[in-house]
Amino acid sequence: GAGVSQSPSNKVTEKGKDVELRCDPISGHTALYWYRQSLGQGLEFLIYFQGNSAPDKSGLPSDRFSAERTGGSVSTLTIQRTQQEDSAVYLCASSSSGTSSYNEQFFGPGTRLTVL
Amino acid sequence: KNQVEQSPQSLIILEGKNCTLQCNYTVSPFSNLRWYKQDTGRGPVSLTIMTFSENTKSNGRYTATLDADTKQSSLHITASQLSDSASYICVVSPRYYGGATNKLIFGTGTLLAVQP
Repeated sequence: GAGVSQSPSNKVTEKGKDVELRCDPISGHTALYWYRQSLGQGLEFLIYFQGNSAPDKSGLPSDRFSAERTGGSVSTLTIQRTQQEDSAVYLCASSSSGTSSYNEQFFGPGTRLTVL
Repeated sequence: KNQVEQSPQSLIILEGKNCTLQCNYTVSPFSNLRWYKQDTGRGPVSLTIMTFSENTKSNGRYTATLDADTKQSSLHITASQLSDSASYICVVSPRYYGGATNKLIFGTGTLLAVQP
């Protein structure tokens, strides 16, 4: 595709429900990142996938958060038993390689999650 | 304490005027420093990226400077346009060794409003 796409663009859910957020990276990009942007805060790293390597999950805030990347392309971020503090914009980014810190990350438009 | 701090938090200028945004960081050692522009409701878009050995980088009306000794960077916008209204985010990439994840550290951004 032309860029990173994410769906849904907006998600409103009730506290305690599970949600799934989807990211389609740029075709051919081997590295994929998930970030969380809370109101008034900088982007917070959540998880990183690079090719077939084990993902770096060090940024996930709790075990309610998990992510998968199937076939080295599409990724899904799952939040179980959502809490109000999970409300934020979830951004996905991809780059052609994660092994060089100089590689530009291209961001999707984000999914705005609101937990009531 | 945030490792990347930006000032001012917000700024209002008139169309056609110049402005300078500041970024102070404590990340060390670092590999590169980036400035991103984030329009409302969109993902961040890269404006400039500088390695630790570079002092300045331009992209059209945007000029970024870097002083690695004082750990300061600035983004100068010349002849501002209404479309420059956005959040400008300073991002530092730490230098990792051994092929570790390329996690970026984001500032909280400066919200710029350009008025006619």
